[in-house]
Amino acid sequence: EAQVTQNPRYLITVTGKKLTVTCSQNMNHEYMSWYRQDPGLGLRQIYYSMNVEVTDKGDVPEGYKVSRKEKRNFPLILESPSPNQTSLYFCASSFLLRGNSPLHFGNGTRLTVT
Amino acid sequence: DAKTTQPNSMESNEEEPVHLPCNHSTISGTDYIHWYRQLPSQGPEYVIHGLTSNVNNRMASLAIAEDRKSSTLILHRATLRDAAVYYCILEGNTPLVFGKGTRLSVIA
Repeated sequence: EAQVTQNPRYLITVTGKKLTVTCSQNMNHEYMSWYRQDPGLGLRQIYYSMNVEVTDKGDVPEGYKVSRKEKRNFPLILESPSPNQTSLYFCASSFLLRGNSPLHFGNGTRLTVT
Repeated sequence: DAKTTQPNSMESNEEEPVHLPCNHSTISGTDYIHWYRQLPSQGPEYVIHGLTSNVNNRMASLAIAEDRKSSTLILHRATLRDAAVYYCILEGNTPLVFGKGTRLSVIA
C-alpha cells in the first residue's frame, strides 16, 4: 500500500533532549516536506526537500534540522527541543510533476515538550 | 506568493449540496488551484485540483471562475463524514502553502 509513515505517533519529552521524528514513503516521491499544526495557526511548513541531498527552509525552520540521505526517508531532528515546539507534526510527499501530483500526508506525530 | 481567502466556517445539512468558496484574486496564469481536506485526527488528504476548466472526480467538483480569481469546491451531497477543514491552495513555483481553511460542519 502506498503510504507515508511517521514514527512515533505520540512523543513526550523534556526540554533539551534531542529527538528525531522519522518519515518514510514508499512511492518513490522526489518531494518531501514537514509541517507543524497548531490551534488557530493552520499548517505551517518547516522544511522541504526536492530530492536527495537537497533541502530548503519553509516558513518556520528555527529549532529544526532535516536530512535527505535517501529518497524514501526525511527525518525531522530537534537538537534541543523547547516547550514552544509542542505541536502536531505532519510529513508529506509527492512527485515533482507540477499540477499533477497531490501531496500524500502521514498520520501525524503529536509531540509534547515539558 | 499568491494567497487565498476562505470563510472560517460553514455549516450544511446532511444530504444537501455544499459550496465552499475560495478567493484568489492575485492568482497568476500558471498557478494550479488545489483543494485538500483534513478530517479530525488525520493528516490532510487531496480532494481535487484544476487550472482553468471545471473538474469532477468521485469526491467533489471544482468550479473555477472565468477570470480564475475565485473557485468553488462542490460536495454534491454532504454526509457526516465530510465534516472537516477544507483548504484551498495555489500551486505556483513554490511549495504548497496551507492557510487556515474552512471548517465544515454537517448537521444530521
